[in-house]
Amino acid sequence: NAGVTQTPKFRVLKTGQSMTLLCAQDMNHEYMYWYRQDPGMGLRLIHYSVGEGTTAKGEVPDGYNVSRLKKQNFLLGLESAAPSQTSVYFCATQGTEAFFGQGTRLTVV
Amino acid sequence: EDQVTQSPEALRLQEGESSSLNCSYTVSGLRGLFWYRQDPGKGPEFLFTLYSAGEEKEKERLKATLTKKESFLHITAPKPEDSATYLCAVQARKGAAGNKLTFGGGTRVLVKP
Repeated sequence: NAGVTQTPKFRVLKTGQSMTLLCAQDMNHEYMYWYRQDPGMGLRLIHYSVGEGTTAKGEVPDGYNVSRLKKQNFLLGLESAAPSQTSVYFCATQGTEAFFGQGTRLTVV
Repeated sequence: EDQVTQSPEALRLQEGESSSLNCSYTVSGLRGLFWYRQDPGKGPEFLFTLYSAGEEKEKERLKATLTKKESFLHITAPKPEDSATYLCAVQARKGAAGNKLTFGGGTRVLVKP
């Protein structure tokens, strides 16, 4: 989707490793979100931000941290990855409707 | 707590066989109800926003309607390219939890030629 770019697209981690997912947007939106999508569970909100320098917890925040140092970037960190964090992660920005990135498929072994 | 339930979970259609997808919701003051399409390996793609009961929106073979408790996505004379997962989401009134969307589990639609 034009305007919301996620990196990386795929990643395999070992249990206990750390990583950061990057979301970059060029739509000048204030609101940004990180979701995870699991079979049978739908999209669930991890953390969100209502503007530069702000973050807040969503529905499933445990094991994740986020930062929004610049308006266009929203970072999702896993400090010590666990197999339960195997999922597809989506970043979204929101104006009148939400626009999603292409997703990051993360496998924790 | 906002909740969204979509049915059926999966739908197999023959090309040209019209059908409807259901999205039932409970929300603390509805700001908007959103429909998205998601293709395998991709992020959700915006289709419609509905704001009040009685509202309808159309796009090609898709038509979305809204009541106070549910929304329907009607697919008229579907084609194989309409095969996708359709997601429904609600947004509570402005200012609630960063205007977040609460999603249903989706309906997987397969249209066979």
